[in-house]
Amino acid sequence: DVKVTQSSRYLVKRTGEKVFLECVQDMDHENMFWYRQDPGLGLRLIYFSYDVKMKEKGDIPEGYSVSREKKERFSLILESASTNQTSMYLCASGWGGTDTQYFGPGTRLTVL
Amino acid sequence: AQSVTQLDSHVSVSEGTPVLLRCNYSSSYSPSLFWYVQHPNKGLQLLLKYTSAATLVKGINGFEAEFKKSETSFHLTKPSAHMSDAAEYFCVVSEAGGYSTLTFGKGTMLLVSP
Repeated sequence: DVKVTQSSRYLVKRTGEKVFLECVQDMDHENMFWYRQDPGLGLRLIYFSYDVKMKEKGDIPEGYSVSREKKERFSLILESASTNQTSMYLCASGWGGTDTQYFGPGTRLTVL
Repeated sequence: AQSVTQLDSHVSVSEGTPVLLRCNYSSSYSPSLFWYVQHPNKGLQLLLKYTSAATLVKGINGFEAEFKKSETSFHLTKPSAHMSDAAEYFCVVSEAGGYSTLTFGKGTMLLVSP
């Protein structure tokens, strides 16, 4: 079975803090993705990566950055957290050359 | 550009009755189409995927979906709902295969009553 894990299920941070969300997959997938999910808006793509040290902006990259130093790990960074970044964050991965994605359980982030 | 519209934000059914979740898509190319399901406080699970091999696609847990190009639709059905089907369902489109990103619909919440 494909396994995508995220470092925290629930996270509470204060405005202005630097926040790291970690995602690890165990299937040697080339592709990795970060989404945020908000009620009534579905999933929106923040950043994605098709290879180590490679990153591409998604639809809503503002206020976020990413890091992919190893193939299995993709980190999402909120440089200075704001209340409008309170959301559910979902990581996904998939094999290169395919469009099927496998999702982690999500991290519910609250910024106070 | 690709887009997807889920026509109902909520659908309510009784246990044992059929389920129909409606999805229309827009795509400039031959798309891949997916249905994902999300149970409360869980990640998304792939239900089924259409890739042009067959217009009727069978998925897990008794769900299936039919690709209708003339109607640009990809509706999800199940003959008999079970309580465990209560969840949020997402219709998803992808263009141009492996190096395309996914575009998600806004989701349909399926409520199943006893």
